[in-house]
Amino acid sequence: DVQLLESGGGLEQPGGSLRLSCAASGFTFSSSAMSWVRQAPGKGLEWVSVISAGGDKTYYADSVRGRFTISRDNSKNTLYLQMNSLRVEDTAIYYCSQRDSHAEQNWGQGALVTVSS
Amino acid sequence: QSVLTQPPSISAAPGQKVTISCSGTSSNVGSGFVSWYQQLPGTAPKLLIYENNKRPSGIPDRFSGSKSGTSATLGITGLQTGDEADYYCGTWDNSLTGYVFGVGTKVTVL
Repeated sequence: DVQLLESGGGLEQPGGSLRLSCAASGFTFSSSAMSWVRQAPGKGLEWVSVISAGGDKTYYADSVRGRFTISRDNSKNTLYLQMNSLRVEDTAIYYCSQRDSHAEQNWGQGALVTVSS
Repeated sequence: QSVLTQPPSISAAPGQKVTISCSGTSSNVGSGFVSWYQQLPGTAPKLLIYENNKRPSGIPDRFSGSKSGTSATLGITGLQTGDEADYYCGTWDNSLTGYVFGVGTKVTVL
């Protein structure tokens, strides 16, 4: 079975940085594009970023471009999201997902990021 | 404000059929594949429909998807209390160069 396990969430002050990790198993990680999707408390889903299987192509939502960086280590089956210059409005549950056939096929359980002073 | 429009809520009795619409533009729904996701309370989203009308393994055929022009529809037949959830459509937007989700529709089983 596909398993995606996020880690690295927590409380950070505005302007600070956090790095999320997503450990993947149960599928050929190096052959799958991967995404980050977030959900603010009581709000809907917001796509954040996607990275190609080889890591050579990345795309970002306007709300995070220039502050967040998506990356992956295919030797470790791990996806990352480096979040800098954090804002209060970045507070959300962050989900990693396996992207295939134009959809987010499998999702992790999520990691909570709280940005507050 | 999402670029994909969904009704905020729908309610129906057990056993009934509901349809959820997802309206977009030529840069998103009109030019790409639509997916649908179910999010039960307190849980991560789950894929229900991909490439407009395909169901992943394990998804019952009570769930169906369709697309016409710049609109897509999720259908749920034989509504069950366990179907109470938020439902989101999603697709790639060529103008934004990113994936977009609808605002979500809360389904209530009366």
